[in-house]
Amino acid sequence: SYELTQPLSVSVALGQTARITCGGNNVGDKNVHWYQQRPGQAPVLVVYKDSERPSAIPERFSGSNSGNTATLTISRAQAGDEADYYCQVWDSSTVVFGGGTKLTVL
Amino acid sequence: EVQLVESGGGLVQPGGSLRLSCAASGFTFSSNWMHWVRQAPGKGLVWVSRIDRDGSTTNYADSVKGRFTISRDNAKNTLYLQMNSLRVEDTAVYYCASWIAEPGGGYFDFWGQGTLVTVSS
Repeated sequence: SYELTQPLSVSVALGQTARITCGGNNVGDKNVHWYQQRPGQAPVLVVYKDSERPSAIPERFSGSNSGNTATLTISRAQAGDEADYYCQVWDSSTVVFGGGTKLTVL
Repeated sequence: EVQLVESGGGLVQPGGSLRLSCAASGFTFSSNWMHWVRQAPGKGLVWVSRIDRDGSTTNYADSVKGRFTISRDNAKNTLYLQMNSLRVEDTAVYYCASWIAEPGGGYFDFWGQGTLVTVSS
């Protein structure tokens, strides 16, 4: 079965840029989607189809996908960005999630 | 405004059953595939099941196949998950989510707030 690998945690200083990676075999050939989950809340879509952004999501959130790694980039990180982030793909009629990355804003 | 509201969670003994519901509003429910995703305490998201627009096609994760049944009532804008033979490892928050199908792979555009299922003796 297909696997997505994310770092357990990423830290970023307030106002700086955070990058969260999502690794998978030739993941660049797939559409990768990203979700933000704040503590005690449901997930929220922040990036879809590698780099598209829902209208309610700030431009500070962006994505890229190539080769074996997809990346979610959060610019000018704010305290409110502190959350768990999950990548997701569709493979063999199954939804696959990465293990999740906890983003800490220092 | 899109709303997905789950209900039916609770405490159940191993081997028991529960039926979850997800009431949808704010969008054309019958136009979307719908899914259930679960999250064990302190763990990540895990896909459980999906159902197509008219309920004729369903798929399940191997971990729940043969025990869980997904269904929908488009007249009532409601999604269901019948869970039988529950195990301790089924303990999780269960989310319903609406799916946007895309060539090459779709994604979840909206999620409910989740309902907690606890399987324990």
